[in-house]
Amino acid sequence: KAGVTQTPRYLIKTRGQQVTLSCSPISGHRSVSWYQQTPGQGLQFLFEYFSETQRNKGNFPGRFSGRQFSNSRSEMNVSTLELGDSALYLCASSPKPGHTEAFFGQGTRLTVV
Amino acid sequence: LAKTTQPISMDSYEGQEVNITCSHNNIATNDYITWYQQFPSQGPRFIIQGYKTKVTNEVASLFIPADRKSSTLSLPRVSLSDTAVYYCLVGDYGQNFVFGPGTRLSVLP
Repeated sequence: KAGVTQTPRYLIKTRGQQVTLSCSPISGHRSVSWYQQTPGQGLQFLFEYFSETQRNKGNFPGRFSGRQFSNSRSEMNVSTLELGDSALYLCASSPKPGHTEAFFGQGTRLTVV
Repeated sequence: LAKTTQPISMDSYEGQEVNITCSHNNIATNDYITWYQQFPSQGPRFIIQGYKTKVTNEVASLFIPADRKSSTLSLPRVSLSDTAVYYCLVGDYGQNFVFGPGTRLSVLP
């Protein structure tokens, strides 16, 4: 069974640009969550999607958005990039939403210059 | 969400048993306890989950006392490859994960 796939693995963007990250969950999993990990703040929850609906959202500005498609694949978008958005962005999938066993992808390392 | 407290770091030697204790004094009745392991530049990996007493799988054991205000992750005979950050999370199935700073375990030869 294929794991969670995140693309791209690495990305370099310039301040002010926007970026879209992609996550393909494990087949059959309908819940996808996104996290931001930085050395200073650790792992922080961004949002969760289940059956194409945003179920929960963390404490991030509106520049961070996401969506989920009917095949459960998810994308997150960050607009007007800031230097502080440089981080490892992780996607996790699980069969159902909430505090169940989640399977994380390798992440996308975003560097904003 | 129940707040958790873990040691920031621990050192151990290869072949030893490592016990990492997590405190969660305000755990709710419906909350489960979950542990994850994370290597640098990788996503966290599920280790074990439990509600009460003891849970064991091929990787670790989880001990939860009757009052459930703490839990202990036990890693038998650690190796260098067990060097990682270990996160303790507490929550209900309807909630999302809240990761604390975790415990950085260093296994020495």
